[in-house]
This record gives sequence, C-alpha cells and structure tokens, in this order.
Amino acid sequence: AQSVTQLDSHVSVSEGTPVLLRCNYSSSYSPSLFWYVQHPNKGLQLLLKYTSAATLVKGINGFEAEFKKSETSFHLTKPSAHMSDAAEYFCVVSSTGGSYIPTFGRGTSLIVHP
Amino acid sequence: DAGVTQSPTHLIKTRGQHVTLRCSPISGHKSVSWYQQVLGQGPQFIFQYYEKEERGRGNFPDRFSARQFPNYSSELNVNALLLGDSALYLCASIQNLNTEAFFGQGTRLTVV
Repeated sequence: AQSVTQLDSHVSVSEGTPVLLRCNYSSSYSPSLFWYVQHPNKGLQLLLKYTSAATLVKGINGFEAEFKKSETSFHLTKPSAHMSDAAEYFCVVSSTGGSYIPTFGRGTSLIVHP
Repeated sequence: DAGVTQSPTHLIKTRGQHVTLRCSPISGHKSVSWYQQVLGQGPQFIFQYYEKEERGRGNFPDRFSARQFPNYSSELNVNALLLGDSALYLCASIQNLNTEAFFGQGTRLTVV
C-alpha cells in the first residue's frame, strides 16, 4: 500500500522569498517520488523525480527536493519565489515492487504575492 | 516529437449518456493510465494499462471501462453519466513501469 500526504493545502509567500511545500509518503516498498506542477487550466508538468539515486534532487525552474527516508518526507523547496510559480503542486509516490501506480497527494496551492 | 494527446479537449454530455475519451501516448511508451481530477482535488487513479493488459483499477464503479489498443493508444468509456462525473480526465503515458508519467492536457467533461 502507498499513500501521500501534502501537509498544507495552501502556501502563501512573497516574491523573492523561499518556498517550502511539504510532502510525507507511506510505502511498503522502495518508493519513487515525484513532484508535478499544474497551472490553471493546464495539464501536469513534471518538476523533478527521485528514483533511489542521490537524495537531493534538482528539478526545473530552480526547484529541488530532498528524500529523507527516516522522516518519510520529500519536501519541495525553491530559494526565491517568482510570480510565475503560482500554481497547484502535487507530490506523487510510485513503489518499486508494488503496483507501480502513481498515487497523488491532494495538492498544495502556492500563492505568490508581489 | 509529439507528447501525450487527448481528444476531445472539451465535452458536454447529458445525464445518462455515454462518453468515450481517447489518448495517444508518447511514441515508445507502453503504459497508459487514466485519472479523474475533480475541481480542487488531486487526480484520482482510474485505470492502468501496460502492454495492452489491465494492471490496475481504482475505486470507480463498473460504469467506467477502458482498453488499450495494439498501437498503445487507449480509450476510456463511461456509461450512464452522472452529474458527479463532471471532471478533468487526464491520461498519463509511461515508458516502463515505475518511470515518470507524462500527462496530456486532459479532457474537460461536463455533465448537465
């Protein structure tokens, strides 16, 4: 069994300040973890992925995430928010040895103030 | 290099009708998954197909069915539409199991 919990439904930051979107996962097997972004009325775009290589993963648009097995977390960060980062963000888990079916969190809405 | 294509992009149906949604995965990708995304929520898994066989099914009623064709394209069928079926239906293309999924733009289904 696998599941994802996104700890915040909304995160509000000012432009130029750091971003932290939190994600905890549960998996009976070694997980693969992903972050996707969805802009209004758009499809889902892959930001970054963790598949058991380096625990600190760098993605597109300056985002990165760190896999912490002991904390079962995969938080998404960015040093400096941009107005164009305003969107919905989804944490996703898929399990090696399991069903391989990507399971989504409920999403975190990132609001960026000028 | 074409991405994941879904058709139609928008659709309006009446309660009780039937609908067919179509998806063409990225060339070389053997797996297609379908998701339903209701406004304000994360995508919910409906079906996964790999090499034309169903590998998984989410918690959806039997009114929902799908299939994958020899060219790896896929159809999602929904019978006896309900108002609650109104959602964005997303198709995900995966090259091999447990690699990242690439999503189409989705089909926006409105049931009136």
